[in-house]
Amino acid sequence: AQKVTQAQTEISVVEKEDVTLDCVYETRDTTYYLFWYKQPPSGELVFLIRRNSFDEQNEISGRYSWNFQKSTSSFNFTITASQVVDSAVYFCALSEAGSGGYQKVTFGTGTKLQVIP
Amino acid sequence: EAGVAQSPRYKIIEKRQSVAFWCNPISGHATLYWYQQILGQGPKLLIQFQNNGVVDDSQLPKDRFSAERLKGVDSTLKIQPAKLEDSAVYLCASSLWTSGSSTDTQYFGPGTRLTVL
Repeated sequence: AQKVTQAQTEISVVEKEDVTLDCVYETRDTTYYLFWYKQPPSGELVFLIRRNSFDEQNEISGRYSWNFQKSTSSFNFTITASQVVDSAVYFCALSEAGSGGYQKVTFGTGTKLQVIP
Repeated sequence: EAGVAQSPRYKIIEKRQSVAFWCNPISGHATLYWYQQILGQGPKLLIQFQNNGVVDDSQLPKDRFSAERLKGVDSTLKIQPAKLEDSAVYLCASSLWTSGSSTDTQYFGPGTRLTVL
């Protein structure tokens, strides 16, 4: 069975500090996808990034970067020079192929990030 | 491009009453999902439609919850009768599905916050 663990429940940082959000996953599939979503106080889940299991190349997008390591089943997310607008709950999610060919997505419990001005 | 639309945004009812939520996915998205997100937790999949057919409703409490997507576009989720523990945010998401694709990114609506008194 697939499982996503976000061990950090809440993190507080001072503005401009770097912060890393951890995500560890479990899956038996060799083909799977990993996602990060941001949920600001308004409540809507905003898609940030998607990676497939065959692409371990790390990615940087502006102040965001992602570190995918299959050897440790981790998909960590780093925000550089954090800003108050980064305050939100961040969810890691795992997608596998369910029976019948459709995708089955499991979300972690989320990490609440508070950036203090 | 318009996003996923949901209504109402907020609903307050008393236990044992009925309630219905509406979702209109992104145009052209064949897959539609309903999630339940209890405060402090990650989204939990209730039901997944592929066009107008159900592909996964394993976590839907079928004694009180029902959902339909009659024409393969918009969808309605109903709770009848509601219980206190149904208080949550109900999120609708959609994804573009193509034959042979193992996964697609889900895009979420703003959610409906349900309070059962």
